[in-house]
Amino acid sequence: GAVVSQHPSWVICKSGTSVKIECRSLDFQATTMFWYRQFPKQSLMLMATSNEGSKATYEQGVEKDKFLINHASLTLSTLTVTSAHPEDSSFYICSASRDYALNEQFFGPGTRLTVL
Amino acid sequence: AQSVSQHNHHVILSEAASLELGCNYSYGGTVNLFWYVQYPGQHLQLLLKYFSGDPLVKGIKGFEAEFIKSKFSFNLRKPSVQWSDTAEYFCAASNFGNEKLTFGTGTRLTIIP
Repeated sequence: GAVVSQHPSWVICKSGTSVKIECRSLDFQATTMFWYRQFPKQSLMLMATSNEGSKATYEQGVEKDKFLINHASLTLSTLTVTSAHPEDSSFYICSASRDYALNEQFFGPGTRLTVL
Repeated sequence: AQSVSQHNHHVILSEAASLELGCNYSYGGTVNLFWYVQYPGQHLQLLLKYFSGDPLVKGIKGFEAEFIKSKFSFNLRKPSVQWSDTAEYFCAASNFGNEKLTFGTGTRLTIIP
């Protein structure tokens, strides 16, 4: 149990276009979902935290208008990279938490975004 | 500021060798500590976690970690590594009651058969 999927697994887009990444908890309802960014050979940096039906909470330095997060249901969160530029190329990982008291996140496989 | 440090960037061991990966944290308040593993091409998986109680925590696949409060450390250990342990290992921390994780920079472990 506790499987999280992401779609797509990789995407290549042209500069200036927008890209949507989906994160789904397949076999549980996620109270909270998290979005991370991972640069090559670096750690995961938390971008934002989202709860179903409410606005996402963004970490300092993350542009809200550039990285739009929608958490429409207890099993789906989406990250839209708007007007993508080459510097947005990265590995984006989502995670989901099913029980606040357990404080355990289940991670998706990640999405590789390349902006040309 | 909250931070997690992993000083070993790349560790290379032979099979059956003993492993210890360092993790130090800088956190105010009560801290929850985690070790995650990322096998090549796979997603992050939880190895073990410490919230409270016995400072020696046992996880999956023979891994264990010891929380030493006085040293602000949570080192990961395994007495005898296998080739299949080749992976990236991340230490992470959060404050008690807060789900937000801060990750260390990771340690790449390479096991030579």
